[in-house]
Amino acid sequence: EPEVTQTPSHQVTQMGQEVILRCVPISNHLYFYWYRQILGQKVEFLVSFYNNEISEKSEIFDDQFSVERPDGSNFTLKIRSTKLEDSAMYFCASRGLAGYYNEQFFGPGTRLTVL
Amino acid sequence: RKEVEQDPGPFNVPEGATVAFNCTYSNSASQSFFWYRQDCRKEPKLLMSVYSSGNEDGRFTAQLNRASQYISLLIRDSKLSDSATYLCVDSGNTGKLIFGQGTTLQVKP
Repeated sequence: EPEVTQTPSHQVTQMGQEVILRCVPISNHLYFYWYRQILGQKVEFLVSFYNNEISEKSEIFDDQFSVERPDGSNFTLKIRSTKLEDSAMYFCASRGLAGYYNEQFFGPGTRLTVL
Repeated sequence: RKEVEQDPGPFNVPEGATVAFNCTYSNSASQSFFWYRQDCRKEPKLLMSVYSSGNEDGRFTAQLNRASQYISLLIRDSKLSDSATYLCVDSGNTGKLIFGQGTTLQVKP
C-alpha cells in the first residue's frame, strides 16, 4: 500500500538554525499539506500546496516558514531561524483528486527539537 | 467556541464493552468529517469518513447530526488494540483539516 514518507524521523537543532524537513507524498497525489503537533496539544494545520503554489496557510506559517516541491517527488518544509517554540512533531500529508471527502494520508512525522 | 470540541477522557473500558465518543463542530457550512486514530507519538491514521446518512465499518459506526453540529463514533466489542486517541476532524471548506483535541481510550483486559 502506498504511503507518505518523511525524513529525518528526529531532528535536533540549536535555536536560530535553519532546518529542512522532507516528505515524499503518495506518488499520484496532487495536494500536499504540513501540520504540526506540539507535545500534548492538538494537530494544527500549517500550509496546503497545490499546483506548485501555496493554497492556504495558517497564522503559524509566518515568513520564517517556506515550502517547496523541488522535483516531482519531494515536498519540503523549511524553517529559517528556529525558535524554542518550534519544537513539535511535523506531519506531512497528501491527498489525491479522487478524495471527494478530502481524505488525507499522513506520514510518520519528524520530531523537531530546538535547544 | 472551539472549532472542534471533544471530551479528552480518558475512557477506561473493559474488553468487549461498547463505547461512544462525541464531538461538536462550530462551522455550520462544513461538508465532510472524519475520525482519525492516533497512537502515542505516531501519525494520525484515517479510521473512517463520516457521511450524512451514517456509516458502519465492522465494529465502528459513525453518525453525523448536522442540525446539532454533532458527530459520534461508536465502537462495539472493544479490543485491547483499540486503545488509542481518537481524533474528530472537520474538513472545513478549504481543504485544511481542523482537528479536535482527541479522546483517549484505554481498553483493559
